[in-house]
This record gives sequence, structure tokens and C-alpha cells, in this order.
Amino acid sequence: AQKITQTQPGMFVQEKEAVTLDCTYDTSDPSYGLFWYKQPSSGEMIFLIYQGSYDQQNATEGRYSLNFQKARKSANLVISASQLGDSAMYFCAMRERPNSGYALNFGKGTSLLVTP
Amino acid sequence: DGGITQSPKYLFRKEGQNVTLSCEQNLNHDAMYWYRQDPGQGLRLIYYSQIVNDFQKGDIAEGYSVSREKKESFPLTVTSAQKNPTAFYLCASSYRGRSNQPQHFGDGTRLSIL
Repeated sequence: AQKITQTQPGMFVQEKEAVTLDCTYDTSDPSYGLFWYKQPSSGEMIFLIYQGSYDQQNATEGRYSLNFQKARKSANLVISASQLGDSAMYFCAMRERPNSGYALNFGKGTSLLVTP
Repeated sequence: DGGITQSPKYLFRKEGQNVTLSCEQNLNHDAMYWYRQDPGQGLRLIYYSQIVNDFQKGDIAEGYSVSREKKESFPLTVTSAQKNPTAFYLCASSYRGRSNQPQHFGDGTRLSIL
């Protein structure tokens, strides 16, 4: 069963606007971590932001913030003041307790295009 | 600067041939991982290793093999048994046992069939 679901295959946003990328997850483990990565067309995976299941506050890192709704099992990424360089694939991933040596389960990603 | 180096960037495989993808890290991480990415898809785990001389199969290990003789190195061999090897391969590493630490990734290797 898919553990991470990203329902938006593609999104458009105008430069300087905010955009929300959706992520829902499925786990019965009370201890888990959620990560967002950015993958430009060159292929490297760039870590953006982390949210732990026990964290009381929503995570923020510069223009990135995470809208974490634990009861709904969602961890949406919010990018404020979009820039042209934000155009990329965005992946949500989850790490549960030491299954698979703390490997990550990835969603299928959302392609974001920022337009002038 | 510390990081993960994958080589080569592009690789072509002939039918019946084994090929090896290199992954080296100087981040002093214990854990290393190999993922496969197909077009329009997320990453799927092939193999992982938490310590030297130990490694475990991931979700799609068939047709692949690995070794972990040094902490810094985790090469992946795509064997002739892997019938659909064309994909983008990413190597990652992280501190062992620290669930809140992100994985760091290399730049990837694109493998194609000749």
C-alpha cells in the first residue's frame, strides 16, 4: 500500500505568490518523521524541511513551511514568495521507526512550475 | 566540502553485462542507501547498509548486488538478471539511528540499455 500520497502531479504558480503542495501519509507507528525534498531537472535531491511526529510546532525553514495536521495525516509544504528557481519536482517522504535502516518512503512527487 | 560522489554520471549497459555504479561519501555517515527512480515516479529502495560488512535488501533488490567493505563506499552492481535496468540511480547516506536527520544524496547515475 502506498504510504505517501501526493495527489497533485503538476502545479503552476506565479512568481512571488505562495503555493501549497499536498502530502498525506499512512502509518500506524506513533514515531515517524516527514521530509520534503526538491529535485531540479539536473536530478540531485535537495533536502528542504523536516517535521517530527512529536513536534508541537510546524516546521519552518526560510520560505518553506510545513502545515502539519497530525490527525488528518497530512504534511503539506508551503512555499512563500515563489521564485523562478523553485521550478522543480518536489517529493514528500516518511521515515518510520528503524524499518529498512531508517530508509525513506517517497511519494510520486509534484512538478511545480513557477511562471513570470 | 563533505558530500557524496556518484560515478559515472551516465552509463550504458549491453545485454548480458554487469555494470557497477560507484558511491563514495566523506560525511562520516554510517548508513548508506541505494534508490532507483523511474520517470514520473518517486524513489524506491534497492539496498541499504548501516555498518561496514553488513547490508540488507530493500523493496526492489532482485537483479542487484552491493558490497560495503569500507565506511565511505557502497557500490551497486546491476546484474544481467535485472531485465529492466534503465533508470536513474541515487545513492544516499545519513547518520545511523538518528531519525530526524535528513539523508544526503549524490547527483545520481543515469543507466541506459544499448
